[in-house]
Amino acid sequence: RKEVEQDPGPFNVPEGATVAFNCTYSNSASQSFFWYRQDCRKEPKLLMSVYSSGNEDGRFTAQLNRASQYISLLIRDSKLSDSATYLCVLLYNQGGKLIFGQGTELSVKP
Amino acid sequence: GAVVSQHPSWVICKSGTSVKIECRSLDFQATTMFWYRQFPKQSLMLMATSNEGSKATYEQGVEKDKFLINHASLTLSTLTVTSAHPEDSSFYICSAQKRDEQYFGPGTRLTVT
Repeated sequence: RKEVEQDPGPFNVPEGATVAFNCTYSNSASQSFFWYRQDCRKEPKLLMSVYSSGNEDGRFTAQLNRASQYISLLIRDSKLSDSATYLCVLLYNQGGKLIFGQGTELSVKP
Repeated sequence: GAVVSQHPSWVICKSGTSVKIECRSLDFQATTMFWYRQFPKQSLMLMATSNEGSKATYEQGVEKDKFLINHASLTLSTLTVTSAHPEDSSFYICSAQKRDEQYFGPGTRLTVT
């Protein structure tokens, strides 16, 4: 079983749509969680950290359920510029290793 | 700020040659840097953890004699792909750790012909 599994993509949505990405992880010892965004042929960029209480940053809302080992990202009122691959990422505090999911591709169409 | 650069941004080499990729933290010192590899349509896979002044720690399945890592200063880590083969063609990305966050370089696209 992969350490991090994400929804298979791609997601094709119209502008203004709400889209949700799901992610599950297998190692309960994972301590920190993030969503990264990666544009084609570019490096990943941190979108937001994910906290147990849930957190929001503008149109983006992230949720963490430690009991179910599940993470989600909700994007509201999607924009063309949101088109990218979204990566679910875990941090093992020991050694600072980041473990990346395979990514879910989002394409927002006009 | 926290800026990480990589050089070169892309390289094409012939099979059997060696290629060196540099990763620099431009405005901070990084005792720990990480090297990742990403094949098309796949996730980033950690290859090794590079610690300044000591030997790198390689992930399972990564050949340390093929992927030589040197972290000689607090701002520079290098990855040398020795005797490159077409299956080594990939996107190589480094990151440098600053406090609790990793900052990624722009990546190096290696094509081995």
